[in-house]
Amino acid sequence: QSVLTQPPSVSGAPGQRVTISCTGSSSNIGAGYDVHWYQHLPGTAPKLLIYLTSNRPSGVPDRFSGSKSGTSASLAISGLQAEDEADYYCHSYDRNLGGFVIFGGGTKLTVL
Amino acid sequence: QVQLVQSGAELKKPGASVKVSCKASGYTFTSSYLHWVRQAPGQGLKWMGLINPNYGTTIYAQKFQGRVSMTRDTSTNTVYLELSSLRSDDTAIYYCARGGSGMILVNPFDTWGQGTPVTVSS
Repeated sequence: QSVLTQPPSVSGAPGQRVTISCTGSSSNIGAGYDVHWYQHLPGTAPKLLIYLTSNRPSGVPDRFSGSKSGTSASLAISGLQAEDEADYYCHSYDRNLGGFVIFGGGTKLTVL
Repeated sequence: QVQLVQSGAELKKPGASVKVSCKASGYTFTSSYLHWVRQAPGQGLKWMGLINPNYGTTIYAQKFQGRVSMTRDTSTNTVYLELSSLRSDDTAIYYCARGGSGMILVNPFDTWGQGTPVTVSS
């Protein structure tokens, strides 16, 4: 199991808003480390979606937003579109582990 | 544009070793960490380690220490991942990823290679 906990799946209808949580602990997100988010479509390379908790790279629609509070972070997707159906991963850092880069277990988003 | 191009699919027997390459272009090769991440079938992303292309220094995830080696060739802007004593549960897609601009350990992975499938089977 992953150090960062994500729900295995979320779903929503086109146009709706969904959120994906990423729950950590005091040694990672709670220690102040930033969180990054990736979108991963089957058969392709993961794509950076949100960096440093709430920033969007050029070309990522403003329908995608990120936030953090305490030991958790969240990715929100508004105005859901069919093309948003993918796996989403959070990424942060842990000061206690042997090897400090950690990923969440991933969340499968289904657009109904 | 920044690009990472990986070598092709591999089929290996248990106990063998595999070496995957990742050729970087579009930026100064020695200015960013390069990471390796794998995804086993049906599972999530797992970080394996990183290499500093400038000095060749490495940090490996504890899970892989003793079996993994990351090297680089600055003449061809290429990094290599070698994994030894392969087991069936090493079957996965292996990705290289650039750790953003500048040598900052907590940078996001802004560019990924296309992935190299490695199958371990007798």
